[in-house]
Formats: sequence, C-alpha cells, structure tokens
Amino acid sequence: QVLLVQSGGGLVKPGGSLRLSCSASGFTFSDYYMSWIRQAPGKGLEWVSYISSDGTSLYYPDSVKGRFTISRDNAKNSLYLQMTSLRAEDTAIYYCAREGYEFGDGYYYYGMDVWGQGTTVTVSS
Amino acid sequence: SSELTQDPAVSVALGQTVRITCQGDSPRNFYASWYQQKPGQAPVLLIYGKNTRPSWIPDRFSGSSSGNTASLTITGAQAEDEADYYCNFRDPSGDHPGVFATVTKVTVL
Repeated sequence: QVLLVQSGGGLVKPGGSLRLSCSASGFTFSDYYMSWIRQAPGKGLEWVSYISSDGTSLYYPDSVKGRFTISRDNAKNSLYLQMTSLRAEDTAIYYCAREGYEFGDGYYYYGMDVWGQGTTVTVSS
Repeated sequence: SSELTQDPAVSVALGQTVRITCQGDSPRNFYASWYQQKPGQAPVLLIYGKNTRPSWIPDRFSGSSSGNTASLTITGAQAEDEADYYCNFRDPSGDHPGVFATVTKVTVL
C-alpha cells in the first residue's frame, strides 16, 4: 500500500522552530520528487517547498525562503521540513505529497498523487 | 507571481454536468492539475499532465484546456462530489511546482 505518514507539528511560540517528518512506504521513494503544502485555517493550498528525487533541486516561495529547509533521506524513505523563525502566519495544516508523473512530448508532467494525513502547526504565544 | 482565477462557488443538480474553469493571467505554456478536497481531509488528485486521470478517479471527471484557461468537468455529478476544488498551473519546461488557484466550492443540489 502506497502511504505517506507524517509526524511532528504542534504548538510553538513565534520565533521558534519545528521539524516535520514524512515517512514513505509502498513505493520507491528515491524515484519521486516530493512537496510540502500547507493550508491555513479556512484558506486555500500553498506550496511551501519542493525537492527533486535526488535532493539537488529545491524550491521555496518567498513567504518561507530563508526560514524553511526541505530535505530527504532516500535511505530512510523519509522527507523532512525544518521550520525556523516561525510566525503566526505559518499556522496551518502541513501536508507532504508525492509528485507522481508521466512523460510525454519530451516533458515530465507532475501531479501530487499521494498525500500524507496532514499535521497541524500552530504558532502562538 | 502568476495569478490564477477560479469561480468561488458553483452548484449543480444531482446527475447533471458542471464545468469549473481556471484562468491564468497570461497565455503561456502550462499544464493544469486539479484537486478535490473534502472537509477535514487531504486533497485528492483528479487530473494532471495531458489531462490524465489517476486510475482510482471515476471517469465522470475530465480535464481540458484552451489558451490560458483550464477546465474541470464533472459529468453526472454525484452527491459525493460536493467539495472544494483547486487547480494548479505548471510550466512543463521548468522545474517549479507552479501555483494554486483560489478554491471553487461545488454544491450538489
């Protein structure tokens, strides 16, 4: 069974740090790009980080750049998100997701086809 | 950054067809993916790539695109299709996860 199981999260004070983990099973983790997506209360989806299958290509939006670090350990089938200098606006449910893909016309086309269960991060004093 | 626009809410009668559109701010090379999210659940991928539907998604969901607009069509809407829907645009030539549009809430009457 293809599965992503998340851990970490919780309540943290502004300026604090937190590390999220995402454990993969049921597929060859090292073959896939992975993403972290968050959803603030009552809001839409926002990409917060993205990592290539070998970990060499990373993406962060301006809203978290310099504060969040995505990483992966392919030997442990695990994805991580280290969050520092947390702000109230970082309060959200955080999801990890697998970037499924298909190849055609010379391009790879991606879609997040497997999601973790989500973990809540609350930044509050 | 690019802006994507979706209708905030649409309704459809049970068994009828509804189309949700997602418009980019300028014509460009892109492909769209679509996600469904029900309350308290993680999003589910419906359509991606060349309008490909994952094997576990019913065939009443289909995607299309023209110019700077992508569409998700639900043909024969079911009660369980009542949910939030998000589109995402990506450039296939770039190593970038693209952007999500704001939500469309679909109500099945």
